[in-house]
Amino acid sequence: GQQVMQIPQYQHVQEGEDFTTYCNSSTTLSNIQWYKQRPGGHPVFLIQLVKSGEVKKQKRLTFQFGEAKKNSSLHITATQTTDVGTYFCAGGAGTASKLTFGTGTRLQVTL
Amino acid sequence: GAGVSQSPSNKVTEKGKDVELRCDPISGHTALYWYRQSLGQGLEFLIYFQGNSAPDKSGLPSDRFSAERTGGSVSTLTIQRTQQEDSAVYLCASSLVVGSGGAYVTQYFGPGTRLLVL
Repeated sequence: GQQVMQIPQYQHVQEGEDFTTYCNSSTTLSNIQWYKQRPGGHPVFLIQLVKSGEVKKQKRLTFQFGEAKKNSSLHITATQTTDVGTYFCAGGAGTASKLTFGTGTRLQVTL
Repeated sequence: GAGVSQSPSNKVTEKGKDVELRCDPISGHTALYWYRQSLGQGLEFLIYFQGNSAPDKSGLPSDRFSAERTGGSVSTLTIQRTQQEDSAVYLCASSLVVGSGGAYVTQYFGPGTRLLVL
């Protein structure tokens, strides 16, 4: 079945440093979504990418969908302590509603 | 309601007992999903409903797990004869499925039910 892997599993940065998490699917995706889960919280939708090579920005966050639609990345510029949490990518295939969630990257930011 | 709600928020049970977890999706959302998340782990897909039917039950770990959805709204996840390894947070999500070719499948998650099996 479809598998979605993320690297790294965990990253610890100092506030102000940049952070990137990478998402790789074993199959071609129709869309990719990103979610953030704060410690003790539930996943919250951040963004959806649909087009090959698409790049979207949300303030300090930049999301990219690969040309082959099998990988994606999330880059955070100048991290802040509010960025702490686990970032999950989730891939959709075809028109089915089911998403396959990635393994997640836990980000820790210290002053 | 404004968001997905789940009850109970916490459940402590003894090994061997049955538990029922409830999910109330966002009004009008036709798709409903159950996930399990063990401590510090990712999201493990359990089952997905489209309306009252479950096209994908592939994630249910064993026949002790079952789920139903009635009236295209509330869903219950039942775990029979609970085991200690069932301890986890059970998350429910719902989405509005627009249709083929342009489906918006953004999932909105509830706060989860923390299940502890002693």
